[in-house]
Amino acid sequence: SAVISQKPSRDICQRGTSLTIQCQVDSQVTMMFWYRQQPGQSLTLIATANQGSEATYESGFVIDKFPISRPNLTFSTLTVSNMSPEDSSIYLCSGTSTDTQYFGPGTRLTVL
Amino acid sequence: LAKTTQPISMDSYEGQEVNITCSHNNIATNDYITWYQQFPSQGPRFIIQGYKTKVTNEVASLFIPADRKSSTLSLPRVSLSDTAVYYCLVGASTNAGKSTFGDGTTLTVKP
Repeated sequence: SAVISQKPSRDICQRGTSLTIQCQVDSQVTMMFWYRQQPGQSLTLIATANQGSEATYESGFVIDKFPISRPNLTFSTLTVSNMSPEDSSIYLCSGTSTDTQYFGPGTRLTVL
Repeated sequence: LAKTTQPISMDSYEGQEVNITCSHNNIATNDYITWYQQFPSQGPRFIIQGYKTKVTNEVASLFIPADRKSSTLSLPRVSLSDTAVYYCLVGASTNAGKSTFGDGTTLTVKP
């Protein structure tokens, strides 16, 4: 199994600013992903974080808004850029190990 | 990617067995079926995964009929702490993470 931690756990930000969320896995994982979850709703995949190369984004998400890094097999960051109140959500990091997907606790972001 | 359909909500009482069924008519040959549990303010937690027939672990059983077009998560003797949202996902193990999360089933266990 894999244990995934995220920092910060929550933040309140002003519109127009950016926030970087960190994701750390306690063991090497094959793949890492970032999701967004609106309160009371299901998860939406933002992108696949690729080690040492550009992330692969899902439809509706772009690199300029959600730049992602993955410098090694256990760490990734997601930046929410030029934030607006519509970006208020829970952002979750996920990693895959032995074909099983594990999730972090999420980062609750509120944009004022 | 196979689409899944689950009941939006279910109610149960403590000590009962709960069965949540998921339909996945377009499941592909190399797709696995995975169930997750999510509590408020937490990330989804892996419960069980299977390909066919029956899989059992310490917390649940997963029943998959021969045609694999549906699956049933069985939670024995639920308690109040089993109140959560349960998601059924279908996808290839090599494509893990690309599986689409459906709406999930909100299970409410009552005393």
